[in-house]
Amino acid sequence: ELKVEQNPLFLSMQEGKNYTIYCNYSTTSDRLYWYRQDPGKSLESLFVLLSNGAVKQEGRLMASLDTKARLSTLHITAAVHDLSATYFCAVLMNYGGATNKLIFGTGTLLAVQP
Amino acid sequence: EAGVAQSPRYKIIEKRQSVAFWCNPISGHATLYWYQQILGQGPKLLIQFQNNGVVDDSQLPKDRFSAERLKGVDSTLKIQPAKLEDSAVYLCASRRQPSSYEQYFGPGTRLTVT
Repeated sequence: ELKVEQNPLFLSMQEGKNYTIYCNYSTTSDRLYWYRQDPGKSLESLFVLLSNGAVKQEGRLMASLDTKARLSTLHITAAVHDLSATYFCAVLMNYGGATNKLIFGTGTLLAVQP
Repeated sequence: EAGVAQSPRYKIIEKRQSVAFWCNPISGHATLYWYQQILGQGPKLLIQFQNNGVVDDSQLPKDRFSAERLKGVDSTLKIQPAKLEDSAVYLCASRRQPSSYEQYFGPGTRLTVT
C-alpha cells in the first residue's frame, strides 16, 4: 500500500523567509498534487505535477517532482501571512480501468508570523 | 460552472443515531468520491463511483456506512449507527472522468458524534 509522508508536520516561519515542505512517497506514481486547506474550508488545488523534473510556480509557491527519488517539494519564497494554511500533497494510484485513488500525506500546518 | 455542493454543512448527533449526507457533483462529472477527514489528518477515500456504479469501496466500513448514486448524478452517504470515532469532515469530490487531471472538492460536512 502506498504511503505518503510529509515533513515537517508543523512549520512556523517569519514573514519574508524561505522554506521548503517535503513529500515522500513509497510507490511509483505518475501524478502528484499539492492542495491548500484553510481552517474549516475544503481543499483548494494548487499544482498537478505529471512527470519527472516537472516544476510549477504560482506566486510565492513553487512545486517540483523527482519521480526517481519519489520526492516532491513545495518551496515558499518570502512568506506572507496569507500563506498560513495546511498544505497536503497527494499521490495518485492507478489500479487499472476506472479505479484510481488519491493517497494524501499527513499535511503540513504552516503558520507565518509577522 | 457551479462547484461541488454538499449538505448539510454541519451535523451533531448522538452515538448510535443515523445520519445522511448529500452531494451534488459538478455537472457532467462521471466520477464521484467520498472522503473522510479526521481532525489533523489528510483525507481518506471511502468510496469511488463511476457514473452510478461502485468502482472502489475497499475502505468503506460496510457494517455501518453505505453510499449510493442511483442516477449517476448526486450521491448520499449514510452512517447507521454512528460511533464516536466517526466524528470527522466528510468531503465529496468529483472528476469529469477517471483520466482527468483535476479532482474538485466540495465544502464538506462536519460531523460531530457525542
